[in-house]
Amino acid sequence: DQQVKQNSPSLSVQEGRISILNCDYTNSMFDYFLWYKKYPAEGPTFLISISSIKDKNEDGRFTVFLNKSAKHLSLHIVPSQPGDSAVYFCAASDGSGGGADGLTFGKGTHLIIQP
Amino acid sequence: DAGITQSPRYKITETGRQVTLMCHQTWSHSYMFWYRQDLGHGLRLIYYSAAADITDKGEVPDGYVVSRSKTENFPLTLESATRSQTSVYFCASTSSGNTDTQYFGPGTRLTVL
Repeated sequence: DQQVKQNSPSLSVQEGRISILNCDYTNSMFDYFLWYKKYPAEGPTFLISISSIKDKNEDGRFTVFLNKSAKHLSLHIVPSQPGDSAVYFCAASDGSGGGADGLTFGKGTHLIIQP
Repeated sequence: DAGITQSPRYKITETGRQVTLMCHQTWSHSYMFWYRQDLGHGLRLIYYSAAADITDKGEVPDGYVVSRSKTENFPLTLESATRSQTSVYFCASTSSGNTDTQYFGPGTRLTVL
């Protein structure tokens, strides 16, 4: 049973437009959520996170929104740039081990920015 | 160089052989993790360690062994490799003060023939 779901395997967006990546979760114990970006042949790199006590967190062009009642979060990238083309993973932690027992990842969404 | 490194980056082995993947971090992070990435599965946790000499199983531990005699190293051993263990393996670490944001190594692509 997948606890973190990214239902869009791929997403194509024009350069300069907004990219919206979605993530749903089923475990109500999750209280911390992260987005990672991954280029081919590299490890995932941390992008942005949000605690369950917030509903929005912003960092430059990246904003993450959390809707706890819907168990849904989204990552907005504005404006989208060619370097944003990568696979984006949504991840979650239940905080019971302070995150020390690892993160639960979604399957990833491949974002393609079209020139 | 500071950070987290993995070796080898690429490895081809045969079924039944023992293989050890190395992970080294220079941040003195307490927590270290091993994940595998497979098509259709995202990243799945194999083992994790909260400190030296403390390890625990993750979601998919079968067929793997870990040790952590030093804080900076966290090797992953496949005692008798199987084709189903063909995957990309990522090591990650995090400090005890920020245990949810993990920092990943570049990965090891392992092929078991």
